[in-house]
Amino acid sequence: DAKTTQPNSMESNEEEPVHLPCNHSTISGTDYIHWYRQLPSQGPEYVIHGLTSNVNNRMASLAIAEDRKSSTLILHRATLRDAAVYYCILRDVNYGQNFVFGPGTRLSVLP
Amino acid sequence: DTGVSQDPRHKITKRGQNVTFRCDPISEHNRLYWYRQTLGQGPEFLTYFQNEAQLEKSRLLSDRFSAERPKGSFSTLEIQRTEQGDSAMYLCASYRAVGSGANVLTFGAGSRLTVL
Repeated sequence: DAKTTQPNSMESNEEEPVHLPCNHSTISGTDYIHWYRQLPSQGPEYVIHGLTSNVNNRMASLAIAEDRKSSTLILHRATLRDAAVYYCILRDVNYGQNFVFGPGTRLSVLP
Repeated sequence: DTGVSQDPRHKITKRGQNVTFRCDPISEHNRLYWYRQTLGQGPEFLTYFQNEAQLEKSRLLSDRFSAERPKGSFSTLEIQRTEQGDSAMYLCASYRAVGSGANVLTFGAGSRLTVL
């Protein structure tokens, strides 16, 4: 599975936008980019995914670089409930039925 | 959609005892995954099932670990002769495979194991 790298931790102020980066320089053409987050004492939950184009849903936006070697998860207005560990994962549509999680980015949201 | 259920949520046991965790996935989901998570780390893959067939096992799944999904519905993860290093959160997740990389996982809340 292709590897991703993320900062260990980030801080944001409440009601401000948050940009969580992910580098995946060895991404292949058939890798989807997935984001999950894990709130305290819960299992991970799906946030968003994309292949080439930027994506928006009710939770967040995903901005994918033109060369696909990096992506950014955007929370438009952070709330205290967004404090969590955010995981960026690559998943090949043709191979690798596994989802491989790294250590993720721990996001703290300050009131 | 009642979500993915795991039982028990917490288990404390003494070293050397056997423990079993149960996972009930979303009913129409044919794939089921087990992960293990220790403090400060991301989830680590253990194994997954497609219906009742166990298709992949991680090398983390030692001989003391066994997982089953007998009728392609619920799954159990048994740990025999527990060791203190087995203390972790055991997470179950499922999805309905439709042959696309866009499939997403739905996780349960996890079963936390403490081995004394």
